[in-house]
Amino acid sequence: QGHLVESGGGVVQPGRSLRLSCAVSGFTFTTYGIHWVRQAPGKGLEWVTLISNDGTKKKYGDSVKGRFTISRDDSENTVSLQMDSLRVEDTAVYYCARAWCNDNRCYEPNLWGQGTRVIVSS
Amino acid sequence: DIQMTQSPSSLSASVGDRVTITCRASQDTNGFLAWFQQKPGKAPKSLIFAASRLQSGVPSRFSGSGSGTDFTLTITTLQPEDFATYYCQQYNAYPLTFGGGTKVDI
Repeated sequence: QGHLVESGGGVVQPGRSLRLSCAVSGFTFTTYGIHWVRQAPGKGLEWVTLISNDGTKKKYGDSVKGRFTISRDDSENTVSLQMDSLRVEDTAVYYCARAWCNDNRCYEPNLWGQGTRVIVSS
Repeated sequence: DIQMTQSPSSLSASVGDRVTITCRASQDTNGFLAWFQQKPGKAPKSLIFAASRLQSGVPSRFSGSGSGTDFTLTITTLQPEDFATYYCQQYNAYPLTFGGGTKVDI
C-alpha cells in the first residue's frame, strides 16, 4: 500500500532556513509525484508544492514561490523541501502525499504522511 | 487561481443521518475534484477522486457527485467514526486549492 514519513521539522527564527524530508516505502517511487500540503494551527489545508514522478515538473503555491524548493532523490526514495527566508506565517504542520503521474499531469494526493511541525518564531 | 467554496462550514448531525456537503469552484475543474477527511490531530485521508470515484478501502456510504463547478459529498447513514472535517480540492490547475472545510460534529 505504501508509507510516507516526514522529518526535519522544528523551531526556527524568521529569515532562517529549514529542510524537510519525505521518505517513502512500499510502492514504486518513480511512478508517483509528491505533494507538500501544510496546515497552520487551527486553519485549513493549503497546498504548497508538487514534484512530478520524473522530477521534470515542479509547481509552487504563490505564498512560497521563490523561497521554497522541492527536489527528489530516486536512489534514496526521498523528497526534500528546502525552505528559505522563513516567515512567521510559514508556521504549520507540513504533510507530504503521493500522487500518481502520467506523461500529461499529476493527480490528487492519495496517500499521506503523518506530518512534521514547523514553528517559525523569534 | 481557482477559488473553492464549501458549505456549510459546520453542521451537527446524529449517527444514522444522511449528510450532504457542497463545494463550488470559481472556474470549471474538468472533474478534477477530490474529497478528504481529517480528524483532529491526524493527517488527512483521501476519500474520493475525479469527483465521484472512491479511493480504495473507503466505505460505500461515502459518495461524490457533480461536474464543472458544483460538487457534492454525501455520507449516507453517518457512523461514529465519520465525525471529522471534510475538505474538497481541485487539481485541475495550479496552484491546487482547497475548500475551507466542513466540520461534521454531533
